[in-house]
Amino acid sequence: AQKITQTQPGMFVQEKEAVTLDCTYDTSDPSYGLFWYKQPSSGEMIFLIYQGSYDQQNATEGRYSLNFQKARKSANLVISASQLGDSAMYFCAMREIRGGYNKLIFGAGTRLAVHP
Amino acid sequence: DGGITQSPKYLFRKEGQNVTLSCEQNLNHDAMYWYRQDPGQGLRLIYYSQIVNDFQKGDIAEGYSVSREKKESFPLTVTSAQKNPTAFYLCASSIDRAYEQFFGPGTRLTVL
Repeated sequence: AQKITQTQPGMFVQEKEAVTLDCTYDTSDPSYGLFWYKQPSSGEMIFLIYQGSYDQQNATEGRYSLNFQKARKSANLVISASQLGDSAMYFCAMREIRGGYNKLIFGAGTRLAVHP
Repeated sequence: DGGITQSPKYLFRKEGQNVTLSCEQNLNHDAMYWYRQDPGQGLRLIYYSQIVNDFQKGDIAEGYSVSREKKESFPLTVTSAQKNPTAFYLCASSIDRAYEQFFGPGTRLTVL
C-alpha cells in the first residue's frame, strides 16, 4: 500500500528565514510523482511544486525547492526567505496511477506559522 | 479567466436529505476528481473521472454518487446513506493523468 507521512503537525519560522517541511513516502512503483500543495485558511489547495521519480535534479519553483532523496524515500519542501503570507497548511502528495487513472494520496499536513 | 468553480461555498443539510455539490471547470481538462477533507486531516479521494460518461470509485465512495455528462461538469451527490457527511469537499481537475491537479475553492457541507 502506498502512503505519505508528514511527521510535523506544526512548525514555526521567523520571517525571512528558511524552513524545511518533512515528507516521507512508501511505494513499490518504480514510476511515481510527488507534489506539494499549500492550503491557506480560505481552503483552496494551491499547487506549489512537483518532482518525478526519474528526475535527476531537485525541483525548484521560485522560493520553493524540493529536497528529493530517493533512497531514503523523502521529499522535503524547503521554503526560503519565509513571508507572512506563507502561513498555511502544507500537504505532501504522491501520484498513483491505477488502471489509467491519476490518483493523489495525501499526507496529514503540516501547519506552518511565520512570525514577524 | 480559466479555473474551477464550486458552488455553493457553504451548504447546510438536514439529516436524511440528498444534496448535490457543483463543480465546473473551463480549463478543458479531461480528468476531474472529488476529495473530502475532515478537520486536521489530508484529502481523501471520493470519485474520479478521466473522460465524459466514465468515472471510478475512489477510496471512500460509499454514500456518494457522481455523473459526468459534460467535460466541464462533475457534480457530486451526497446521499442520505453517507453516515457522516459533514466535511469540506474539494473538486480538482488535470489535463490528464500525468499532470498536476488544480483545485477549486471547496464547499463546506454541514449536516444539521
